[in-house]
Amino acid sequence: KAGVTQTPRYLIKTRGQQVTLSCSPISGHRSVSWYQQTPGQGLQFLFEYFSETQRNKGNFPGRFSGRQFSNSRSEMNVSTLELGDSALYLCASSTLSGTAAYEQYFGPGTRLTVT
Amino acid sequence: AQTVTQSQPEMSVQEAETVTLSCTYDTSENNYYLFWYKQPPSRQMILVIRQEAYKQQNATENRFSVNFQKAAKSFSLKISDSQLGDTAMYFCAFSHYGGATNKLIFGTGTLLAVQP
Repeated sequence: KAGVTQTPRYLIKTRGQQVTLSCSPISGHRSVSWYQQTPGQGLQFLFEYFSETQRNKGNFPGRFSGRQFSNSRSEMNVSTLELGDSALYLCASSTLSGTAAYEQYFGPGTRLTVT
Repeated sequence: AQTVTQSQPEMSVQEAETVTLSCTYDTSENNYYLFWYKQPPSRQMILVIRQEAYKQQNATENRFSVNFQKAAKSFSLKISDSQLGDTAMYFCAFSHYGGATNKLIFGTGTLLAVQP
């Protein structure tokens, strides 16, 4: 079974631009979560989607948004990029059913650099 | 507050030896899972082991085992017969279940270096 895939893997943007990151979960997984990883703040939860509905959102400004499609693929968008948005963005998927319901499997991440 | 604390920023171990990484957490909930994730230099986050809070028996996965002390809110990871490929950042995390979220709360990580 294929793992979680994220595109693009690397991205360089300029301050003020916007960016869209994509995540395809493991087949059969309906829950997708996004995390931001930076050296200063560590791993922080961004949002979680299940069946196209946002279940939870972390403490991030409104410039960060996301959505999930009917095939469980998810996108996150960051508008008006700031230098501090430079980070590794990780996507994780889980089934929310069965004995491994709450195990989250991560993609390779998208490295975003804002200049 | 829901927090995870990893008090060892860096550790080093000789190949084939055993090492234990510490983790404490704080939550007022009763239903939760605990996890150890490994992040090698490739940055791919890999699930190492999980523990259900309602289970008293400590989880084991091959060379990896945990010491779960629920009353003390402690969840340490023991790596036996350390291998060079175990070199990575290790994150302790927990998530609640039965509620409206599956989000993981992570510690700050322990960088483990396995020396030949």
